[in-house]
Amino acid sequence: KAGVTQTPRYLIKTRGQQVTLSCSPISGHRSVSWYQQTPGQGLQFLFEYFSETQRNKGNFPGRFSGRQFSNSRSEMNVSTLELGDSALYLCASSHQSSTSGGSKFFGPGTRLTVL
Amino acid sequence: AQTVTQSQPEMSVQEAETVTLSCTYDTSENNYYLFWYKQPPSRQMILVIRQEAYKQQNATENRFSVNFQKAAKSFSLKISDSQLGDTAMYFCAFMKVRDDKIIFGKGTRLHILP
Repeated sequence: KAGVTQTPRYLIKTRGQQVTLSCSPISGHRSVSWYQQTPGQGLQFLFEYFSETQRNKGNFPGRFSGRQFSNSRSEMNVSTLELGDSALYLCASSHQSSTSGGSKFFGPGTRLTVL
Repeated sequence: AQTVTQSQPEMSVQEAETVTLSCTYDTSENNYYLFWYKQPPSRQMILVIRQEAYKQQNATENRFSVNFQKAAKSFSLKISDSQLGDTAMYFCAFMKVRDDKIIFGKGTRLHILP
């Protein structure tokens, strides 16, 4: 099976712009979650989607949003970019949400740089 | 709130040696999952090993094994016969059952020396 894919791999934006990142989970996986990784804060949970519904959300401002499509692909959007949004954004997929505690498999990440 | 603590920011060992990475966590939950993830320089996060809290037997995956002490809330990772390819950042992580939010520790940077 193909692994989790994320596009684009690298992105450079300027402050105030918005950005959309995409994640395609492993075939058959219905849960997709997003994490932000920075040197200062480490890995932080953004949100999780299962069957097109957001089931869990981390402590991030409303500028961070996401959605999931019927084919389980997910996108996250960051509006009004700030310098502090520069980070590696990781997407993870698992077979099913919550009840089985399915192991999560991560994509290669999208490196976002905000200038 | 759950927390995960990795007290060793960085470690170095010689190739073929055995190394143990420490992790402690804090939770009031009884059922949960613990993970060790590896992030090499490529930044790809790779699942190394997984432990269900209700299982007393320690998980093993080839050269990787854990020492899970539930009462002490300790979850260490042992890497036997270390290889150069084991060089990476290792993250200890916690997840409640019926939740999908993984809580990560700050990581331990492991260097395997030739």
